[in-house]
Amino acid sequence: QKEVEQDPGPLSVPEGAIVSLNCTYSNSAFQYFMWYRQYSRKGPELLMYTYSSGNKEDGRFTAQVDKSSKYISLFIRDSQPSDSATYLCAMRNPGANNLFFGTGTRLTVIP
Amino acid sequence: EAGVTQFPSHSVIEKGQTVTLRCDPISGHDNLYWYRRVMGKEIKFLLHFVKESKQDESGMPNNRFLAERTGGTYSTLKVQPAELEDSGVYFCASSFRQGASGANVLTFGAGSRLTVL
Repeated sequence: QKEVEQDPGPLSVPEGAIVSLNCTYSNSAFQYFMWYRQYSRKGPELLMYTYSSGNKEDGRFTAQVDKSSKYISLFIRDSQPSDSATYLCAMRNPGANNLFFGTGTRLTVIP
Repeated sequence: EAGVTQFPSHSVIEKGQTVTLRCDPISGHDNLYWYRRVMGKEIKFLLHFVKESKQDESGMPNNRFLAERTGGTYSTLKVQPAELEDSGVYFCASSFRQGASGANVLTFGAGSRLTVL
């Protein structure tokens, strides 16, 4: 069983739509949860970071963590064509430095 | 501030040959990581340096892979001899804070794509 499961998509939405991206995980020791955005031919770029359970909002982006369900989400409001990218969830244990990634979901926002 | 730089961006070699990938981290970042993405799979951790010391190399696939970070600055990852299954994108990342606590935000390079024929 993979440590982190993520639907690879692809996901296509019209501009202005609300996008929901999700990951599930199996390791209950994970405490740090991240969302990375990766544009084509670029490296992953940290978008959001959450510690333990709860919500975090940054502009049009909201990250949610539900540790009881081992489920994390990223919501993008008023999606823009510039949001078109691959979104990767990642997580790690406290005291460890290696990240466990999902496979990434490719998102296309259509103008 | 310059980001994490990786070289080459793409390398095509034949099975059995040797390839060396280089990573220049952000200046002042003591932590340097190598990750790999094989086609269709998730990005996976290979190893972690703190300055010139290997902190964790639990993700290295086998002894055909050798990573070094002499002087605690740039790092190289050598694959010798390369096999077909080594094809993928090798990412380097660096961070300032070693994070048992805190985000330990990693900055990734654009990756080195390796194709083994």
